[in-house]
Amino acid sequence: EAGVAQSPRYKIIEKRQSVAFWCNPISGHATLYWYQQILGQGPKLLIQFQNNGVVDDSQLPKDRFSAERLKGVDSTLKIQPAKLEDSAVYLCASSLGVAGGETDTQYFGPGTRLTVL
Amino acid sequence: AQSVTQPDIHITVSEGASLELRCNYSYGATPYLFWYVQSPGQGLQLLLKYFSGDTLVQGIKGFEAEFKRSQSSFNLRKPSVHWSDAAEYFCAVFPGGGNKLTFGTGTQLKVEL
Repeated sequence: EAGVAQSPRYKIIEKRQSVAFWCNPISGHATLYWYQQILGQGPKLLIQFQNNGVVDDSQLPKDRFSAERLKGVDSTLKIQPAKLEDSAVYLCASSLGVAGGETDTQYFGPGTRLTVL
Repeated sequence: AQSVTQPDIHITVSEGASLELRCNYSYGATPYLFWYVQSPGQGLQLLLKYFSGDTLVQGIKGFEAEFKRSQSSFNLRKPSVHWSDAAEYFCAVFPGGGNKLTFGTGTQLKVEL
């Protein structure tokens, strides 16, 4: 079974530029998550989708970050304009659902390492 | 608010020695509990999980973890560490319902040959 796919793996941009990340979840997984992991910290949830609807975006800096999940499968996360403090690893994860129990187990992609200069 | 504490930021063990990584959580009810491992430049790989039942759970790569309700702990153990186990280990808690998966700050494991 293929895992969660993410691209690109690495990205270097200058501040005030824009950047986009792509994620393809495990086939059949209804729930998709984007996390930000700053160096030395655990991942922090930015946004959670169930199918193509947003479940939780309370920690997404909406003035510069946006995300969409068209057709309930692939997702893109965009930052515009980027700031120095956005340098981090952006992880995508997916799970079968949020019904409780085993279906809540999240599986992670390899991440995209963003450096903002 | 729920929280996860991993008190050891760095741990160094010799290859072949036993390992225990600590994790404590703060939450009213028993949440779902997870351990993930992250190798340099990689995403998070699920090692094991606890939902209910037997409090000693077995995972991949020879790891196990024990849930202790009285201590609100979910410590990860391995009887004999291999050099390839060097990585960062994250404990995570999911209370269920509409709550988030909350991660600890991680424990960096170094293995001396």
